Amino acid sequence: DVVMTQSPLSLPVTLGQPAFFSCRSSQSLVHSDGNTYLNWFHQRPGQSPRRLFYKISNRDSGVPDRFSASGSGSDFTLIISRVEAEDVGIYYCMQGSRWPASFGQGTKLEIK
Amino acid sequence: EVQLVESGGGLVQPGGSLRLSCGGSGFPFRNYWMNWVRQAPGKGLEWVTNINKEGSEGYYLDAVKGRFTISRDNAKSTLYLQMNNLRVEDTAVYYCAAGGYLDFWGQGSLVTVSS
Repeated sequence: DVVMTQSPLSLPVTLGQPAFFSCRSSQSLVHSDGNTYLNWFHQRPGQSPRRLFYKISNRDSGVPDRFSASGSGSDFTLIISRVEAEDVGIYYCMQGSRWPASFGQGTKLEIK
Repeated sequence: EVQLVESGGGLVQPGGSLRLSCGGSGFPFRNYWMNWVRQAPGKGLEWVTNINKEGSEGYYLDAVKGRFTISRDNAKSTLYLQMNNLRVEDTAVYYCAAGGYLDFWGQGSLVTVSS
């Protein structure tokens, strides 16, 4: 099974500063169809997860453009250019390229 | 408005059974693969099972294979999860999520397995 490893596990950030999230997979996530099925989700405290990006860097509707995502193969990054208070919560990466789908353990963003 | 609403959770003893339901509205339910994802208390997310659009193929995490069964009724826009022989480690909030990329999620239903 593919193991997804996120870092850091905890990320204290000052409002207005950038935040960087790393996600690495134990094997390449390039699917045989040429796509890379790597998604990012955000879960606010007490809420269900919400998808932010799919297939590495495709931003979902309503996601502010201060969020960006990139990567390839087995190394992926989510960046918030200027953190706002509403961004707190846990960010998860998830791979759907290899069965079974698997999530990273999450990175908890908090305001410093 | 897109909506997924889970129901059917509760407290059950080890070895017991429970059936979760997830009603969809505001989107073409029959055109979406559907998933169940769970989250144990204070823990991360774990994909459990999914089903194709027609309801003819289901895929399962090894830990639940043979105990859980996913199904759907497209006429009712409803997804189901039949959970048998429940274990303490199945305790979690169970979310249904629509789409192959887990496009949108319900609010979750808590399943507690305890004696």
